[in-house]
Amino acid sequence: NAGVMQNPRHLVRRRGQEARLRCSPMKGHSHVYWYRQLPEEGLKFMVYLQKENIIDESGMPKERFSAEFPKEGPSILRIQQVVRGDSAAYFCASSPNLRGISTDTQYFGPGTRLTVL
Amino acid sequence: GESVGLHLPTLSVQEGDNSIINCAYSNSASDYFIWYKQESGKGPQFIIDIRSNMDKRQGQRVTVLLNKTVKHLSLQIAATQPGDSAVYFCAEKGAGRRALTFGSGTRLQVQP
Repeated sequence: NAGVMQNPRHLVRRRGQEARLRCSPMKGHSHVYWYRQLPEEGLKFMVYLQKENIIDESGMPKERFSAEFPKEGPSILRIQQVVRGDSAAYFCASSPNLRGISTDTQYFGPGTRLTVL
Repeated sequence: GESVGLHLPTLSVQEGDNSIINCAYSNSASDYFIWYKQESGKGPQFIIDIRSNMDKRQGQRVTVLLNKTVKHLSLQIAATQPGDSAVYFCAEKGAGRRALTFGSGTRLQVQP
C-alpha cells in the first residue's frame, strides 16, 4: 500500500515565481490536509479539502496561496509570487473515510521543501 | 487561543531506558490527541493516538496517557532504542474540527 505521495520533494524558486506542490493521498482516502513547517518548529495547519471542496481554509494566508483537490488527480497547493518567507517544508496528510465517516488519524507524506532565492 | 506546548525541548536517555515525553494543551474542547515521530528530512510518522474519553492507551513499546484535569498528555517509550532518536510532536484536534494543532516538538536523543 503506497503512502501519501508528494512531489516534488525539493523545489527552488526565485522571488516572484509560482510554486506548485502536489499531493496524492493514500488509496481510499478522500480527505486531504496541508501543513507548513518552519525549521525547528511544529507543523501549522493551512487547509483541509475533500474532493472538489475546500472544507476549512482558516490557516491559509489571505493572498497568493490557493489549494484545490479536483475530482481526478492530486491535490495542488499553489503559491503565487513567492517571497523568501515562503521557504519552508510543506506537508500533506490524508485521512480515510470509513463507511461515510472520516476518521481523525492523519497520515503524512514526505513533504516538499520549498526554497525561495 | 488554542495552544499545544511541550515542557522539554531536548531529552537525552540511555539505550534501554524508558523515555517520557510530556505535552500540555490549553483547549478544553479537544477531543482527540496524537503523537508523531519525525526524523530529519522526513514527514511525521504516526505513533499512537487517544480520544478524550480515554486516559490511557498502549501500543507496541509505547503508551499514551491523558490527564484532562490538568490538560496534560505524555508519551512513554519502553526500552528506548537508537532508532527512536527523532523529534516527537504531540497534536490535538478540537471538537467539530479536522485541523490538528501541533506542539513545538521534543528532540529525543538516545545514547548507546
